[in-house]
Amino acid sequence: DAGITQSPRHKVTETGTPVTLRCHQTENHRYMYWYRQDPGHGLRLIHYSYGVKDTDKGEVSDGYSVSRSKTEDFLLTLESATSSQTSVYFCAISADSYGYTFGSGTRLTVV
Amino acid sequence: KQEVTQIPAALSVPEGENLVLNCSFTDSAIYNLQWFRQDPGKGLTSLLLIQSSQREQTSGRLNASLDKSSGRSTLYIAASQPGDSATYLCAVNGGQGAQKLVFGQGTRLTINP
Repeated sequence: DAGITQSPRHKVTETGTPVTLRCHQTENHRYMYWYRQDPGHGLRLIHYSYGVKDTDKGEVSDGYSVSRSKTEDFLLTLESATSSQTSVYFCAISADSYGYTFGSGTRLTVV
Repeated sequence: KQEVTQIPAALSVPEGENLVLNCSFTDSAIYNLQWFRQDPGKGLTSLLLIQSSQREQTSGRLNASLDKSSGRSTLYIAASQPGDSATYLCAVNGGQGAQKLVFGQGTRLTINP
């Protein structure tokens, strides 16, 4: 999607390994978010950021950490991946009073 | 805790029909509500954003309404086309600033030629 890119698009990793997903935006939006999408659960918020170095937890933050050292980049880290973290991960951005723009997603498989 | 429900879970209609997708939410104290479209294996595309002070928004063949007091929103699609086939998601935002959206599970729409 224009203005927001996620990398990698697909990843297979082994249980217990660390994994970092990257979200990059060119819109200079203040807010950035990480969601996961799972059958039967829909989209759920993991973490979000409201500025450089300002982050907070969402609904399903256990097992995940985030960092935002620059306005344009928001990283999601799985410190020690588990099979329950197999999912599709979406990054999104927003500005005050405006709606969301979502990235194309990262499909993560933990084996 | 806010809960969002979308009914029906799936809908299949012939091309050309007008249709309505429903979204209900349990806490009426929302800041805005958004409708998204998701194609298989793709990300979400924002369709319409309704602020809490608004009653409806229109974009082309799409019209979304909001009744905050009853906790309901509808997405009306006029003259449906096969290209409208996708999953439609409703999401509510409870506050200003960071928009921590709560999503419904979506309605999977199939338009048959």
